[in-house]
Amino acid sequence: DTGVSQDPRHKITKRGQNVTFRCDPISEHNRLYWYRQTLGQGPEFLTYFQNEAQLEKSRLLSDRFSAERPKGSFSTLEIQRTEQGDSAMYLCASSPRVGDRTSPGYEQYFGPGTRLTVT
Amino acid sequence: DAKTTQPNSMESNEEEPVHLPCNHSTISGTDYIHWYRQLPSQGPEYVIHGLTSNVNNRMASLAIAEDRKSSTLILHRATLRDAAVYYCILRAIYGGATNKLIFGTGTLLAVQP
Repeated sequence: DTGVSQDPRHKITKRGQNVTFRCDPISEHNRLYWYRQTLGQGPEFLTYFQNEAQLEKSRLLSDRFSAERPKGSFSTLEIQRTEQGDSAMYLCASSPRVGDRTSPGYEQYFGPGTRLTVT
Repeated sequence: DAKTTQPNSMESNEEEPVHLPCNHSTISGTDYIHWYRQLPSQGPEYVIHGLTSNVNNRMASLAIAEDRKSSTLILHRATLRDAAVYYCILRAIYGGATNKLIFGTGTLLAVQP
């Protein structure tokens, strides 16, 4: 198992363009989270999936943001009509179901993040 | 959500113990205390968690005050690789389906050789 992976690691785009990020969680982790982190701040929660169902979205997730997790495996985060304020590190994390023998489900395993720069 | 307070930064010397404090005076009875750390250019990494009793694992120890209003993460022998931002997070395990993490700004630990 290689952990949570994210692609791309870096993305530079012009304002107004659409971007899509991908997250591959640890296999068999049914919980998946997206966070956003700006310089000097801790990560902020964006959205949460349990299997393929998106169960919570933060108010930070404007209408320009959409996330999917088809078939409960990998997830994508799309930002439409990017703005300079969207520049940040986008982090994905996964967690096993509560009560899994390998983990009590308390821990989240983070990927390396996708750094987005909007020019 | 209950809030935590941590110093903005701390310094330590290599191979010496480090005590990272966290205040959480509004903690509730169902809040677990979690610690994550974030090394430069990486995603956060789970360190340890506890409820009432002190906890040890291969990475660190967690000392929890008797009234649970504060806790201390202890790195027994700091190495240069321990230089990171350390986050203290309260998490109500059964308080909601999400179990999202709410990060503060954490403590930036610098380790001097």
